[in-house]
Amino acid sequence: KQEVTQIPAALSVPEGENLVLNCSFTDSAIYNLQWFRQDPGKGLTSLLLIQSSQREQTSGRLNASLDKSSGRSTLYIAASQPGDSATYLCAVRDGQNFVFGPGTRLSVLP
Amino acid sequence: ETGVTQSPTHLIKTRGQQVTLRCSSQSGHNTVSWYQQALGQGPQFIFQYYREEENGRGNFPPRFSGLQFPNYSSELNVNALELDDSALYLCASSFYPRGGNTIYFGEGSWLTVV
Repeated sequence: KQEVTQIPAALSVPEGENLVLNCSFTDSAIYNLQWFRQDPGKGLTSLLLIQSSQREQTSGRLNASLDKSSGRSTLYIAASQPGDSATYLCAVRDGQNFVFGPGTRLSVLP
Repeated sequence: ETGVTQSPTHLIKTRGQQVTLRCSSQSGHNTVSWYQQALGQGPQFIFQYYREEENGRGNFPPRFSGLQFPNYSSELNVNALELDDSALYLCASSFYPRGGNTIYFGEGSWLTVV
């Protein structure tokens, strides 16, 4: 059974810092991995999708990497801003559904 | 905006009652899946519908059931509500069988069971 964990559970940083969020999964037989952002009380917004054959994806200040063999992914956020404050979830697709991690709650202080 | 719409956005039900949540998929997507997200946790897969049939189910009891309609919209029904059913229910649409495609979520329906 696929299990996804995320470290740290919460993170508070001053504006402008670069930061890394970590995601680990137990079964490397995945189709893809996706990072989502969730604002309080809201649905999920897709940030980056990495196919199983890819090593990384970039969008603006965000860069996500995937190491399938070790069961790890990282989300790198450059020059963090207060507007980046949200919960970040990673999810792996290993069949017909996604398995989510519990999320990392990020606070970026002005 | 993802193009996936859910209704209602918030509702309160009493233990033992039944509830129906609705979802309209993004245009062009033929697959709808439902997730339950308890407070402070990641979403958990309930089930998925493709071509109006359930084709995948998570670890949820039979009192959680669903429908998918020819226009790919969907309903989630929960019978005999329990207090632990209080959660955010998320609908997501995607195009199957291309497993590499991204998935789009709606804003969710907040269910409170009292």
